[in-house]
Amino acid sequence: GAGVSQSPSNKVTEKGKDVELRCDPISGHTALYWYRQRLGQGLEFLIYFQGNSAPDKSGLPSDRFSAERTGESVSTLTIQRTQQEDSAVYLCASSRGVYLNQPQHFGDGTRLSIL
Amino acid sequence: KQEVTQIPAALSVPEGENLVLNCSFTDSAIYNLQWFRQDPGKGLTSLLLIQSSQREQTSGRLNASLDKSSGRSTLYIAASQPGDSATYLCAVQAGGTSYGKLTFGQGTILTVHP
Repeated sequence: GAGVSQSPSNKVTEKGKDVELRCDPISGHTALYWYRQRLGQGLEFLIYFQGNSAPDKSGLPSDRFSAERTGESVSTLTIQRTQQEDSAVYLCASSRGVYLNQPQHFGDGTRLSIL
Repeated sequence: KQEVTQIPAALSVPEGENLVLNCSFTDSAIYNLQWFRQDPGKGLTSLLLIQSSQREQTSGRLNASLDKSSGRSTLYIAASQPGDSATYLCAVQAGGTSYGKLTFGQGTILTVHP
């Protein structure tokens, strides 16, 4: 079956613009996660959804970042007024459920470059 | 705050060698520990998941162990192959109120040369 799909695969934008990143999880996966990977750094947790709810938003770096999920399916991560430090690969993952000890399956990421 | 450390940062071995990658974590209140591999320009591929109540998991040439009380895990790769070359990441899933959060180590870059 299809894996986690992320779009766009690459995005280049000017500082100050808003960007929207999309994630389509594996069908039937109720949990969805967003991570960020900056060049030369480890993966950084941003937010996760169980169903359409986000119990833990503590990883969002600032109020310029927001995320939503609808229909227990697609999720969008929005970054407003982008800054150069937002440049990174944004990875999305999904799993059968947060509480089920199931592995997270990752997409290939969106590479975001802020000029 | 959970911190995950992986040693070594990089490893280069000839094909056929058995090798061990190490992972340590500071907070033993984990839900599970996961090992991933990441190929350049790609996302992560799940290799093994060890629940907090388990001691080890095996998949093919891979064996992962977990000693939760001492905050350590090892990934053993038998008879390494050039196709095993990748970055290997260890991650712990939190318990409590942050169930969904994975905390990652910095990774071990593995190169297996023919």
